[in-house]
Amino acid sequence: EAQVTQNPRYLITVTGKKLTVTCSQNMNHEYMSWYRQDPGLGLRQIYYSMNVEVTDKGDVPEGYKVSRKEKRNFPLILESPSPNQTSLYFCASSPARLKSYEQYFGPGTRLTVT
Amino acid sequence: DAKTTQPNSMESNEEEPVHLPCNHSTISGTDYIHWYRQLPSQGPEYVIHGLTSNVNNRMASLAIAEDRKSSTLILHRATLRDAAVYYCILRDHPGNQFYFGTGTSLTVIP
Repeated sequence: EAQVTQNPRYLITVTGKKLTVTCSQNMNHEYMSWYRQDPGLGLRQIYYSMNVEVTDKGDVPEGYKVSRKEKRNFPLILESPSPNQTSLYFCASSPARLKSYEQYFGPGTRLTVT
Repeated sequence: DAKTTQPNSMESNEEEPVHLPCNHSTISGTDYIHWYRQLPSQGPEYVIHGLTSNVNNRMASLAIAEDRKSSTLILHRATLRDAAVYYCILRDHPGNQFYFGTGTSLTVIP
């Protein structure tokens, strides 16, 4: 089944404790992206990647890191999480064909930083 | 950055058509108009996209104004399963950023 998977689905952590949220897709998509969703603010793009070893900042990259060493994986790293990073996070992927930019989203990771 | 404006919420009766509007007055010539929806407790899912011409697929229709400064997502017969938040998004071609905004929360009344 074609899908985007995220782990963990739920995470409660403390301020300053480094964490990684994994994202994997099995559709051989070139493009992958991370979003956060907060009440009243909608979805905001954190980082995106057009292909292996190519990453770019989205609208809200502060406090986050990403890497794209393999085409299928795009982990989101919080080196020193803070309470304002408490949010619902979504990973997405899409083919990079010229006319087809449909994004496929993962189920989400709910992160709480205390 | 091109942005979109949508009503916060709309209601529709079941089995009636729904027209969800979106304004994008700063759209550029290469921006594609995308629509996604997010069902409760799920990630967003793709609905439809277009550039200039009206588009139809199995889920919905997209009507794009001649000046491209607005568009309308049309659900031909709303069902209870269509209750979701609908996002109108602009994506520059061949751009790489998506701007989702806050979307329209659609309530379907039985």
